[in-house]
Amino acid sequence: GENVEQHPSTLSVQEGDSAVIKCTYSDSASNYFPWYKQELGKRPQLIIDIRSNVGEKKDQRIAVTLNKTAKHFSLHITETQPEDSAVYFCAASTGAGGFKTIFGAGTRLFVKA
Amino acid sequence: DAGVIQSPRHEVTEMGQEVTLRCKPISGHNSLFWYRQTMMRGLELLIYFNNNVPIDDSGMPEDRFSAKMPNASFSTLKIQPSEPRDSAVYFCASSLRTGTYEQYFGPGTRLTVT
Repeated sequence: GENVEQHPSTLSVQEGDSAVIKCTYSDSASNYFPWYKQELGKRPQLIIDIRSNVGEKKDQRIAVTLNKTAKHFSLHITETQPEDSAVYFCAASTGAGGFKTIFGAGTRLFVKA
Repeated sequence: DAGVIQSPRHEVTEMGQEVTLRCKPISGHNSLFWYRQTMMRGLELLIYFNNNVPIDDSGMPEDRFSAKMPNASFSTLKIQPSEPRDSAVYFCASSLRTGTYEQYFGPGTRLTVT
């Protein structure tokens, strides 16, 4: 089955710096890669996603890149702000939201003011 | 829309007792997922349903766990008998199988088994 590895487990950056979180997946059939943000005590919420027919996607200060050949994808957050502090999860799925989704272990991001 | 609704929000029970967690997905969504979150194991998919039919329950840890979805607007996750290692936050999520792929998570049920 699918296995998703995520690094680093903890990331601390200075406000205004960039943060990069990397994930690898094992199932070449995976074609949908969402990223979720979970604030302390809250539910995970989708922040951005990418499908396998696209190599990069941006939404304001966040961007995701996908390398299907290498089976890895990354989340980039620019101009980080204290409110970006949270746990970020990558995930891989073999299809639409109604298909099996496997999550990475999460990255705890600290943005220091 | 009220979003995904879960109940109870908190549950404290003694080892050996039966626990039932409930979930109401977003109206019109046709996929429903149950996840368990712990510090040690992260966010684990337990089971998911498409159109009320269980598709993959390979994440259900033991026979003590069971899940049902009798109709499009209700699902339960039952643990019988419960054990201290079942203590976790249990999330239910729903999504559409077409169009937008986002999974919408409920607020979670924090389960403590003493």
